[in-house]
Amino acid sequence: GEDVEQSLFLSVREGDSSVINCTYTDSSSTYLYWYKQEPGAGLQLLTYIFSNMDMKQDQRLTVLLNKKDKHLSLRIADTQTGDSAIYFCAEVSGGYQKVTFGIGTKLQVIP
Amino acid sequence: ETGVTQTPRHLVMGMTNKKSLKCEQHLGHNAMYWYKQSAKKPLELMFVYNFKEQTENNSVPSRFSPECPNSSHLFLHLHTLQPEDSALYLCASSPQGLENTIYFGEGSWLTVV
Repeated sequence: GEDVEQSLFLSVREGDSSVINCTYTDSSSTYLYWYKQEPGAGLQLLTYIFSNMDMKQDQRLTVLLNKKDKHLSLRIADTQTGDSAIYFCAEVSGGYQKVTFGIGTKLQVIP
Repeated sequence: ETGVTQTPRHLVMGMTNKKSLKCEQHLGHNAMYWYKQSAKKPLELMFVYNFKEQTENNSVPSRFSPECPNSSHLFLHLHTLQPEDSALYLCASSPQGLENTIYFGEGSWLTVV
């Protein structure tokens, strides 16, 4: 079955870059997403990438996709304290409503 | 503001109570979802509705009963819950089609005592 894995925790200093990694198992994934969840809130869509792309950049966010290794990463440049949250990787595969989420990576930004 | 509104934001209920969670989306989407988020576990898909019809029930116990009267509204009726059902319940919606971007509500925090 499909599986999406992420590390549980990442700590970075304010101003540094953060890299959150994700691996997935379904090679038929069509879209891959990054969601952000701040404390006490729902999931906010940050960005997504089509499976036929290698990279997508959106302001401070850079998404890299390595289809061969089934590896997705989210890089946040100049990390701010407001970036502290849980980041979820998700893949869409096997039909357009089959979405599998990772467990989430908690990003802690140290001032 | 994501366009998906959930009420109540917080709910405490006893094991013998009956309560409902409500979700409304203002995005013109045709699919709506209930997800359960528990600590240290992946998001669990509970139910999917497409054009008001239930298309997925992910082995959810019958003490959770969804209702979708139209494409904009989704309810989750709760009855005789257990303490382990305490979690954040997230409603979401998405358009039909290949670009299935799911938009989430803020969630309803449920505590069963």
